[in-house]
Amino acid sequence: DAGVTQSPTHLIKTRGQQVTLRCSPKSGHDTVSWYQQALGQGPQFIFQYYEEEERQRGNFPDRFSGHQFPNYSSELNVNALLLGDSALYLCASSSTGPEAFFGQGTRLTVV
Amino acid sequence: EDQVTQSPEALRLQEGESSSLNCSYTVSGLRGLFWYRQDPGKGPEFLFTLYSAGEEKEKERLKATLTKKESFLHITAPKPEDSATYLCAVRASGGSYIPTFGRGTSLIVHP
Repeated sequence: DAGVTQSPTHLIKTRGQQVTLRCSPKSGHDTVSWYQQALGQGPQFIFQYYEEEERQRGNFPDRFSGHQFPNYSSELNVNALLLGDSALYLCASSSTGPEAFFGQGTRLTVV
Repeated sequence: EDQVTQSPEALRLQEGESSSLNCSYTVSGLRGLFWYRQDPGKGPEFLFTLYSAGEEKEKERLKATLTKKESFLHITAPKPEDSATYLCAVRASGGSYIPTFGRGTSLIVHP
């Protein structure tokens, strides 16, 4: 079992650009959540996807959007990047239980 | 609003010196309390889920306990490889899927 996989692992973008991050959930999981983690902070919930729809959203602007595909994989898109968007972006998958299993993250640096 | 406070922020131990990490929480009905371990630059690794006061779970040198207001992660005879940040998160019962994370406790175990 490959667990939750994310790509890319590292990314450097320029302010104002757009970025797409990708996530494949753990086998048997149908729910994908995205988090932003700043240095020294706990993960902050961005949104969750289930059955290809956004089920719930945290306190993030509309510049953050996502998508879930029929195979349950997911993308996180961020438009008009700001310096403050620099963070570790985490994907977590789950099924019927409340526990979430995380990928290794994508380190995004905005310059 | 759900809140999670972890203490201490940082903890340095000698190998073999047992200690406890604290997670205090405020939530409107607890669906689950989760402990994760996170190594630098990596995604959180799931450790335990606790559902009700009085519940305890163990894994190797780690033991998690839960009361109505807080959870403890006890580390018995720690080894240097236990060095990591330990995150606590809660999920409220009801319709919300949003977990609230604490900022974590950074543990360093010296040989």
